Amino acid sequence: SQQGEEDPQALSIQEGENATMNCSYKTSINNLQWYRQNSGRGLVHLILIRSNEREKHSGRLRVTLDTSKKSSSLLITASRAADTASYFCATAYYNQGGKLIFGQGTELSVKP
Amino acid sequence: NAGVTQTPKFQVLKTGQSMTLQCAQDMNHNSMYWYRQDPGMGLRLIYYSASEGTTDKGEVPNGYNVSRLNKREFSLRLESAAPSQTSVYFCASSEQDGRSSYEQYFGPGTRLTVT
Repeated sequence: SQQGEEDPQALSIQEGENATMNCSYKTSINNLQWYRQNSGRGLVHLILIRSNEREKHSGRLRVTLDTSKKSSSLLITASRAADTASYFCATAYYNQGGKLIFGQGTELSVKP
Repeated sequence: NAGVTQTPKFQVLKTGQSMTLQCAQDMNHNSMYWYRQDPGMGLRLIYYSASEGTTDKGEVPNGYNVSRLNKREFSLRLESAAPSQTSVYFCASSEQDGRSSYEQYFGPGTRLTVT
């Protein structure tokens, strides 16, 4: 069964607004990763946050990790129409050959 | 540097037919993975290969076989296709040391329809 659960399933905002997506998981992890998928394309890695980190930034992306609540959030600031895509969180265990368990994703629509 | 390549891009099969999906990576990664993506289901791991010469089942291995031909190539075979295998298939690779997981690089996908 899939470990990551994402919320919301779909999000529609206007350009310039911030978008926040949440991910919850069930057991202890090595790290948590966020990926982006444009329609009909493969996934692209956005950011990786390790279990001993609480926050990470990359450009307009900010990821937080709360291991006590087993949850993570992805914030996209000042969104653009080009940010329209599906966003997935993926959790990684220790000693598991690099396996990732993906959530069902959040479909983000940014309207011009 | 092509990254991860997959062939074919599209395929239509009839129930009972067999086919092999090919995947190759040129990043010298140890690990390779096969996923399927169905609407509303996210990605589910079919099989993976942590290193050359090893393969292991993922979440949904039934109806599939894999071969890690060498460090670059990892193929997925459907011996007798079923309509339930209609999906988009993604191959991915990553550098990993057996203890930690790193980012995965994905191919463009194969869209398979079984009628």
